[in-house]
Amino acid sequence: SQTIHQWPATLVQPVGSPLSLECTVEGTSNPNLYWYRQAAGRGLQLLFYSVGIGQISSEVPQNLSASRPQDRQFILSSKKLLLSDSGFYLCAWSWTGSHLSLANYGYTFGSGTRLTVV
Amino acid sequence: RKEVEQDPGPFNVPEGATVAFNCTYSNSASQSFFWYRQDCRKEPKLLMSVYSSGNEDGRFTAQLNRASQYISLLIRDSKLSDSATYLCVVNKRTGNQFYFGTGTSLTVIP
Repeated sequence: SQTIHQWPATLVQPVGSPLSLECTVEGTSNPNLYWYRQAAGRGLQLLFYSVGIGQISSEVPQNLSASRPQDRQFILSSKKLLLSDSGFYLCAWSWTGSHLSLANYGYTFGSGTRLTVV
Repeated sequence: RKEVEQDPGPFNVPEGATVAFNCTYSNSASQSFFWYRQDCRKEPKLLMSVYSSGNEDGRFTAQLNRASQYISLLIRDSKLSDSATYLCVVNKRTGNQFYFGTGTSLTVIP
């Protein structure tokens, strides 16, 4: 079976500090990978998605970046955090290939990282 | 206009009640539709996919109306454990990006 791991679960960082959040998927190969952010009381915002190693698409301009150094590893980074970067960060994966698989199974999320920038 | 719009609620209903949520989407070419459930401070989890013909899973029924571009979720015989936020999810026709509504909050009251 497929599993997705995301860490750390909670993080408190000062403004201006760097950030690195890691996500790994097991039990599948060549998944689509995603980073979402959910600000307090708001909906999920797609930040980045990747359809393969080294292939990153950004949905919104910001001071965050993403990388996919290995097939099942997705990293979210920042060189200097802002107060507005606080939120609940969620990694997710989905099947590639047939649309039927996507329609049936959607996304599976990791357990999330709650980031507070102080 | 947002890709996906939902009534945020909150919906407060007694146990055993039937409750329905609607969600509208803006892209007529969207192909995949889902309802996710998110408990407080937890990640969203897939509740059910929504198929063109409508589908049912126990007490939950999902329907899609392509002409009017909305999907619905009906919960019958509400349980206390149904209390959560329900997220409507729609994909883009091309690519694998999904867009989430802001969620509808449901509280089932004893």
